[in-house]
Amino acid sequence: DAGITQSPRHKVTETGTPVTLRCHQTENHRYMYWYRQDPGHGLRLIHYSYGVKDTDKGEVSDGYSVSRSKTEDFLLTLESATSSQTSVYFCAISERAGNGNYGYTFGSGTRLTVV
Amino acid sequence: SQQGEEDPQALSIQEGENATMNCSYKTSINNLQWYRQNSGRGLVHLILIRSNEREKHSGRLRVTLDTSKKSSSLLITASRAADTASYFCATQGGSEKLVFGKGMKLTVNP
Repeated sequence: DAGITQSPRHKVTETGTPVTLRCHQTENHRYMYWYRQDPGHGLRLIHYSYGVKDTDKGEVSDGYSVSRSKTEDFLLTLESATSSQTSVYFCAISERAGNGNYGYTFGSGTRLTVV
Repeated sequence: SQQGEEDPQALSIQEGENATMNCSYKTSINNLQWYRQNSGRGLVHLILIRSNEREKHSGRLRVTLDTSKKSSSLLITASRAADTASYFCATQGGSEKLVFGKGMKLTVNP
């Protein structure tokens, strides 16, 4: 998707290992988000960022941490991966806050399997 | 927790027919958005309707919003096989966060 890339696209990891997913944008958007998508649950917000070093928790933040040291990069870390974190992870960006009525642009996703 | 709930959860139609998808939500909103997701891909923003709007059009898409009933509908006219995808409604309230429904699957048969 234009302006936003996620890496890796696929990853298999073992239970208990740390995993970091990367989201990179070239749009200079202020807001960045991490969602996970699971069958029967739709998309659920994990963490989001409203600026460099400014992050906050979403709906399902337990077991995850994030960092944003540059405008263009938003990292999601699974500190000790568990099988329940097997999912498809999506990064999204938006230009303005809710009152600005802007849509999100999504990355192509990272499929993570924890074995 | 999900804010929007799409209905029906799955819809199968023939090419050329119209497809209508409904979304209900629970709390007050600033806007409601519809997204499409093709298999194995990220979500793509389709259309946004603000809380003070009742209807909006974009190409073959028509979205309505009834804030008194806390509901929205997405109509795709003259559907094509390429419209086969999952569709999500999402609501945006006072914060910048979008809250998504679980999605519904549309199949358009050629």
